[in-house]
Amino acid sequence: DAGVIQSPRHEVTEMGQEVTLRCKPISGHNSLFWYRQTMMRGLELLIYFNNNVPIDDSGMPEDRFSAKMPNASFSTLKIQPSEPRDSAVYFCASSSILGQGFNEQFFGPGTRLTVL
Amino acid sequence: AQKVTQAQTEISVVEKEDVTLDCVYETRDTTYYLFWYKQPPSGELVFLIRRNSFDEQNEISGRYSWNFQKSTSSFNFTITASQVVDSAVYFCALSGTTSGSRLTFGEGTQLTVNP
Repeated sequence: DAGVIQSPRHEVTEMGQEVTLRCKPISGHNSLFWYRQTMMRGLELLIYFNNNVPIDDSGMPEDRFSAKMPNASFSTLKIQPSEPRDSAVYFCASSSILGQGFNEQFFGPGTRLTVL
Repeated sequence: AQKVTQAQTEISVVEKEDVTLDCVYETRDTTYYLFWYKQPPSGELVFLIRRNSFDEQNEISGRYSWNFQKSTSSFNFTITASQVVDSAVYFCALSGTTSGSRLTFGEGTQLTVNP
């Protein structure tokens, strides 16, 4: 079975450009999470969706960041305009969550973003 | 608020040594889950184990074992007879009923196993 798929794996862009990161969760999973990993801040949750609905976006750093999940098999994280401090590895994860259950999250390979 | 503390930033051992990675957590939830993830040099995050707050039984999986103690709010991870391939960053994480599905990660412990 395919795991979580992220694209691109690497992205190098210039400050001010728009960046779109893509994620395909594991089939059948109903929750999707976007994380950012940096040396300074470690792993931090940006936003998560349950059944395609954004549940908690309190980790989104600012209005330059936006995330969508138009259907159960696809999500995007967009940064517009990008800044050098956005450079990080962005992970997408998915999980199957029922009621108050807390199943493990499965992570994609990540997208390494460099903003020059 | 939830918090996970991994006090050991880096650990270096020689192959075949046993090593324990510490994890201490804070939560006000009575129902919560604890996780360990491994991040090898290739960068992906690999799920290792999930344990709920009502199950304090220790778990063993091959060379890996986990010791969950609610009395000390700890969920420690031991690798027996370490191997070079165990070199990675290991993260402990927590989620609870009041945090929804949000995972709170510790800072991670960099384990280096030398031949």
